[in-house]
Amino acid sequence: DGGITQSPKYLFRKEGQNVTLSCEQNLNHDAMYWYRQDPGQGLRLIYYSQIVNDFQKGDIAEGYSVSREKKESFPLTVTSAQKNPTAFYLCASSLNPGGRLNEQFFGPGTRLTVL
Amino acid sequence: QKEVEQDPGPLSVPEGAIVSLNCTYSNSAFQYFMWYRQYSRKGPELLMYTYSSGNKEDGRFTAQVDKSSKYISLFIRDSQPSDSATYLCAMSADGNQFYFGTGTSLTVIP
Repeated sequence: DGGITQSPKYLFRKEGQNVTLSCEQNLNHDAMYWYRQDPGQGLRLIYYSQIVNDFQKGDIAEGYSVSREKKESFPLTVTSAQKNPTAFYLCASSLNPGGRLNEQFFGPGTRLTVL
Repeated sequence: QKEVEQDPGPLSVPEGAIVSLNCTYSNSAFQYFMWYRQYSRKGPELLMYTYSSGNKEDGRFTAQVDKSSKYISLFIRDSQPSDSATYLCAMSADGNQFYFGTGTSLTVIP
């Protein structure tokens, strides 16, 4: 089955702790993205990566970090510096960013709750 | 001003109705447009993708782009209860960074 997987589905974190969300794709897509979804605010871009070992900040990167050591994996770390981390996190990928085949396909999401 | 504006609804229609969902935008450079359907607590599912202006049809779904008015629409014909979901529009100038609407919540009543 081709697709994007995210784990875990639900995650609980205590204040002051870092936590890493997993995103894996077997679509052979070049680009991967992390979004945050909050009620009434739509999806906001955190980080994106067009190729391995390279990534760029999105609109709300503060308090987050990423790595792209492998084409199929793009983990997101939510650090203790993120002031309001409780949200629904979505990972996406696209085949040809910047070109015509740039549709983004999403994973099932991870719901993070800070206790 | 937000890049993309979308009426959050909620929108409630009877089964079989034609549904019209809309987004407006401010950036005239946008040329890639997408519509997603998102069920509660799930990831968005790509429904329609349009490049530049014009119409695109896929089954019961039709996407329209009017770049002169900076306005895009998604029409759903013969709406079904299974169409009940939140619909998100997304658009981009460069095909890399996309801007999303807040989503419109739709309920189709049997």
